[in-house]
Amino acid sequence: EVQLVESGGGLVQPGSSLKLSCVASGFTFSSYNMHWIRQAPKKGLEWIALIYYDSSNKYYADSVKGRFTISRDNSKNTLYLEMNSLRSEDTAMYYCAKSGDYWGQGVMVTVSS
Amino acid sequence: DVVMTQTPPSLSVAIGQSVSISCKSSQSLVASDKNTYLNWLLQSPGRSPKRLIYQVSKLDSGVPDRFSGSGSEKDFTLKISRVEAEDLGVYYCLQGTHLPFTFGSGTKLEIK
Repeated sequence: EVQLVESGGGLVQPGSSLKLSCVASGFTFSSYNMHWIRQAPKKGLEWIALIYYDSSNKYYADSVKGRFTISRDNSKNTLYLEMNSLRSEDTAMYYCAKSGDYWGQGVMVTVSS
Repeated sequence: DVVMTQTPPSLSVAIGQSVSISCKSSQSLVASDKNTYLNWLLQSPGRSPKRLIYQVSKLDSGVPDRFSGSGSEKDFTLKISRVEAEDLGVYYCLQGTHLPFTFGSGTKLEIK
């Protein structure tokens, strides 16, 4: 059974940093591209980052480019999202997703003073 | 960026009825490999999204055949035949052809 479990969220102040993790199981993690998608409270879905299975390519939404970094450790079956210079508009539930077909349960990030 | 225009924003339907949701893209979603990467997802209340359909019309494993997808190029439709109570939630289209990937604004399905 495919499982994706996010962690690392919380309440942080504007300008601070946070690193999210997504531990994968139930599939060959190293064979799949992975995504981060977020959803602001009561809003729709926003794709924010993609990393290829071998980390050879990474792509970002303009809203996070230069501030967020997606990475992965295939030896640990773990996907990461490092978030810097956080803003109030980054407040959202953050989901990791396997090639779009399976999603984690999400982790909440709240940016507020 | 590709804009995905999804309509209607909400639907109220009785059990057993059929509904259709439209998604129109601002650019063709046919990729260089000739595939069309248009997906439909359902976010049930309090849950994370779940993909129902990929590449316009292919059902994910375990998805009832009451769900069907159709369309091409820039115009796509999700149809739910014989709606059941478990179908309530917000439906999203998602294009995965052009970066950045983009979602429709969602259609909230309510059961009368």
